[in-house]
Amino acid sequence: GDSVTQMEGPVTLSEEAFLTINCTYTATGYPSLFWYVQYPGEGLQLLLKATKADDKGSNKGFEATYRKETTSFHLEKGSVQVSDSAVYFCALYAGGTSYGKLTFGQGTILTVHP
Amino acid sequence: SAVISQKPSRDICQRGTSLTIQCQVDSQVTMMFWYRQQPGQSLTLIATANQGSEATYESGFVIDKFPISRPNLTFSTLTVSNMSPEDSSIYLCSATTTGSGAFFGQGTRLTVV
Repeated sequence: GDSVTQMEGPVTLSEEAFLTINCTYTATGYPSLFWYVQYPGEGLQLLLKATKADDKGSNKGFEATYRKETTSFHLEKGSVQVSDSAVYFCALYAGGTSYGKLTFGQGTILTVHP
Repeated sequence: SAVISQKPSRDICQRGTSLTIQCQVDSQVTMMFWYRQQPGQSLTLIATANQGSEATYESGFVIDKFPISRPNLTFSTLTVSNMSPEDSSIYLCSATTTGSGAFFGQGTRLTVV
C-alpha cells in the first residue's frame, strides 16, 4: 500500500539556520505530495504541495521539489525563525479511487531557539 | 480554500459516555473525512463521510464505535461511542475540493477519564 516516511525527529535548530526535513514515499501511480504544518494546539494547515514530477511547491520561505526518481519530497527553508516551531507532516494523495484520502508520515517536531 | 469549523474544540468525558463532534464547511466540498491523531502520533483516517449514505470506514474502525453522518455537502458529525481512555485523541475533520488538496478543521481534543 501507499506509505510516507519522514526523517526521525525531533529537530532542534538555532534561528537563521538551514532546515531540511526528509520525506520519501511509496505509491502506485503518480501521487500528489503535500507538506502540512501543525502549530501547538492547532489543526493542520496546508503549507505547500506539488502535483507532478519536478514541480516545486513553495510558501512562506519553505520549498519542496517532487523528485520521482528518488521518490522524495524534502522540505527546506534557508533561514528558520522561532515562529516556525511546529510539527511538520509530509503526506500523499494517491489519486484514482482514493477520492481525496491522504496518507501521512509520522510527523517531525521542529523547535527553533533564538 | 475552504474554512472548516469544528466543535467542540476540546472536551473531557467520562468513560462509557458518547461525544458527537460537528464539522461545518463554509462552501460545498467534494469529500469529507474524519481522522484521528493519537498523542504524539501521526494522523490515521477513520472514515470517508458520504453524503446521504453510510460512511466508508478504514480497516480497524467500525460504525458502531464511530457513527458518522453527512446530511448535506457542507456538514458532518462524528460520534465517539462508549468511550474509554484509549479514545483520548485529537479528532480532525477534513474536506477536499477538486484540485485544491485537503483542508482541516482545528480539531477536537478529547480526553476520556
